[in-house]
Amino acid sequence: EVQLVQSGAEVKKPGESLKISCKGSGYNFANYWIAWVRQMPGKGLEWMGIIYPDDSETRYSPSFAGQVTISVDKSFTTVHLQWSSLKASDSAMYYCARKSDPVVTTSPFDSWGQGTLVSVSS
Amino acid sequence: SYVLTQPPSVSVAPGKTARITCGGNNIGSKVVHWYQQTPGRAPVLVMYYDSDRPSGIPERFSGSNSGNTATLTISRVEAGDEADYYCHVWGSSNDVFFGGGTKLTVL
Repeated sequence: EVQLVQSGAEVKKPGESLKISCKGSGYNFANYWIAWVRQMPGKGLEWMGIIYPDDSETRYSPSFAGQVTISVDKSFTTVHLQWSSLKASDSAMYYCARKSDPVVTTSPFDSWGQGTLVSVSS
Repeated sequence: SYVLTQPPSVSVAPGKTARITCGGNNIGSKVVHWYQQTPGRAPVLVMYYDSDRPSGIPERFSGSNSGNTATLTISRVEAGDEADYYCHVWGSSNDVFFGGGTKLTVL
């Protein structure tokens, strides 16, 4: 069974750094793109970026480029989303999602993590 | 950039048909995926490649895509279908576009 399990909720102060994780299991982790999606309270889904674990190729949404870093640790089948200096406006739920087909460029996200709630407040 | 426009809300009585639209410039030339999100839960894929249903999704769910509009149709709507629905397309540079989401209310 394909599973994406995310790290737990975080409470941080503005200016602090943070790294959250998404661990994949039940499939060949290296060969499936993993995306990060933000959902602010009461709002819709926003794509942040995507990474291919095998070679760490990464694409960012223009809205998030330079604001976050997506990385991967293949040995632990884990993808990370990282902030160097959080802002209150980073408070949101963050989901990771797996692209269903490693070859078809337009394939859907067939598996999602349970979400990681990030709260940033002074 | 590519803009996907969804109505913020759709209301339907139980047993009737709900149609949730996703508008985009020549969206019919793209493939569209749809996700259902209930409160406090992660999104779930309910339709992919315009009109394919994942296993476990009822046949009451169907999809179409032509011209400037893709549509997710839910027949014989049930209370359990009440959720937010999002359409999704891929851009030309492996970038992702989501619609703003539609809240389906079952009256």
